[in-house]
Amino acid sequence: DGGITQSPKYLFRKEGQNVTLSCEQNLNHDAMYWYRQDPGQGLRLIYYSQIVNDFQKGDIAEGYSVSREKKESFPLTVTSAQKNPTAFYLCASSIQQGFNEQFFGPGTRLTVL
Amino acid sequence: KQEVTQIPAALSVPEGENLVLNCSFTDSAIYNLQWFRQDPGKGLTSLLLIQSSQREQTSGRLNASLDKSSGRSTLYIAASQPGDSATYLCAATNAGGTSYGKLTFGQGTILTVHP
Repeated sequence: DGGITQSPKYLFRKEGQNVTLSCEQNLNHDAMYWYRQDPGQGLRLIYYSQIVNDFQKGDIAEGYSVSREKKESFPLTVTSAQKNPTAFYLCASSIQQGFNEQFFGPGTRLTVL
Repeated sequence: KQEVTQIPAALSVPEGENLVLNCSFTDSAIYNLQWFRQDPGKGLTSLLLIQSSQREQTSGRLNASLDKSSGRSTLYIAASQPGDSATYLCAATNAGGTSYGKLTFGQGTILTVHP
């Protein structure tokens, strides 16, 4: 089955900790994205990557970091600099960046204790 | 800056009713518009994608229309079923400015179809 997987489904973080969210796709898509979803708000773009070894900041990149060492993987690290990290995080991919249909993973819910 | 608004924020209808969800966008310079479904605590499922050159797309009981000049899209659901209950999101792919090639999402419409 082709698709996007995210792990873990639930993640708890203590104040001051860095945590990494995993996103893997086997769709052979070049582009990958990370979004944040807060209650009552639409999705907001954190980072995106058009191709391996390349990534760009989205609208709310402060306090987050990413890497794209492999085509199929795009992990997101939530650093201690992110002051309000409790949210639902969604990973997506598309054939190419920008104009193709985006497909989403099941999401990771991060809670700060 | 592109802004996407969805009306209504919530909608409750009896089973079997036909319904329309609305999506409006402020910048008509878009490449396409995508409709998604989201079940509670889950990711997004793509329903329909309308290219800027198209007027509508259909998939089963779903029909989405696009009017770029007026900055509006509608999602029509025919003969609604309880299984259609979910949050429906629209998103526009921006064709200009600093948001070039990026999706801007609306806040969603929470649909409840009761038996």
